[in-house]
Amino acid sequence: DGGITQSPKYLFRKEGQNVTLSCEQNLNHDAMYWYRQDPGQGLRLIYYSQIVNDFQKGDIAEGYSVSREKKESFPLTVTSAQKNPTAFYLCATSDLSYNEQFFGPGTRLTVL
Amino acid sequence: GDSVTQMEGPVTLSEEAFLTINCTYTATGYPSLFWYVQYPGEGLQLLLKATKADDKGSNKGFEATYRKETTSFHLEKGSVQVSDSAVYFCALSDQGYGQNFVFGPGTRLSVLP
Repeated sequence: DGGITQSPKYLFRKEGQNVTLSCEQNLNHDAMYWYRQDPGQGLRLIYYSQIVNDFQKGDIAEGYSVSREKKESFPLTVTSAQKNPTAFYLCATSDLSYNEQFFGPGTRLTVL
Repeated sequence: GDSVTQMEGPVTLSEEAFLTINCTYTATGYPSLFWYVQYPGEGLQLLLKATKADDKGSNKGFEATYRKETTSFHLEKGSVQVSDSAVYFCALSDQGYGQNFVFGPGTRLSVLP
């Protein structure tokens, strides 16, 4: 099955702990993205990457970090510096024609 | 920079009613336009798209026409069903713009039986 996998679907962490969200794709897409969605809100771009070993900050990168060591993988770390980390996190991919963006099922992070 | 504006809702309709969700955009280049749908607790799914002026995207009874002269891409459906209840996002892809995809704020649709 081709697609995007995000794990886990639900994640709970204590305040002050770093947490890493997984995103894996087998679509052979070059570009990968992380978005944050708060209840009743739209999408806000955190980071994106168009090629392995390179990534750019989006609109709300503070308190987050990413890596892109493999084309298939784009993990997001939510650090303790992120003041309000509780949210729904979506990973997406596209090829470099940018004709469509594909989304994973999302991870709901709750910080207690 | 590029932007997408859409009616924020919520929109509440009775089953079989006609649906319109307005979307307008601002772009520096010649963008592709999209409608995505999000069901509760899930990721976004592409509903339809149009890549050039006057193109009509359609899927599952939904339609939208790329209107360059009015910079609009309004979503329509002739007869909504309860299963259409979801959040709908208008978006654009502009290769002349940084991260390439820009989303509107989303419109929540509730269809009552």
